Amino acid sequence: EPEVTQTPSHQVTQMGQEVILRCVPISNHLYFYWYRQILGQKVEFLVSFYNNEISEKSEIFDDQFSVERPDGSNFTLKIRSTKLEDSAMYFCASSERVAGVNEQFFGPGTRLTVL
Amino acid sequence: AQSVAQPEDQVNVAEGNPLTVKCTYSVSGNPYLFWYVQYPNRGLQFLLKYITGDNLVKGSYGFEAEFNKSQTSFHLKKPSALVSDSALYFCAVRDISFNKFYFGSGTKLNVKP
Repeated sequence: EPEVTQTPSHQVTQMGQEVILRCVPISNHLYFYWYRQILGQKVEFLVSFYNNEISEKSEIFDDQFSVERPDGSNFTLKIRSTKLEDSAMYFCASSERVAGVNEQFFGPGTRLTVL
Repeated sequence: AQSVAQPEDQVNVAEGNPLTVKCTYSVSGNPYLFWYVQYPNRGLQFLLKYITGDNLVKGSYGFEAEFNKSQTSFHLKKPSALVSDSALYFCAVRDISFNKFYFGSGTKLNVKP
């Protein structure tokens, strides 16, 4: 069964450093998303991406964040200068068509720890 | 704005007993509702969804959910709980822009042998 994969599973970084979180969505999916979950809190939407551009982003997704689909398979989230409060679990998701009808398939997540 | 609420942080049930995990929603327009499960150190796994049609939706692992428009609820149910059902359960509603989901705060289900 196809699945969304994410690497690394755990990333530890120093405050102010850049990190890139990687995702490989399901191959025939067209819509891609990033969510985050701060420990003990709810899952929060960050950004959606379709046709090589951002469709929507939340207020969390400020100038320090960017997304890219550098090739036909990878979907990346970059945080330019990490802050302590960026420590969270980051989930990538993809869906075949518009999310309202089709469920989003989530990857296992990358746990980001900013020291 | 779209939102869901999960009023219980935790639900405890004995193995073999029926379980219910509650979710209420607030939406503009037609509700598209979803349930996901999160096992420890794992991502979110899709369980079931309500788009339209029958109010009782059947999903993975024997779970089902009942859509109740008058009570704006979408409670997750299972007739007979298993210890392996112990996990974190999230209710979600899709945004009217179709681009994102709004998740509830999650309910931890503990099934004791």
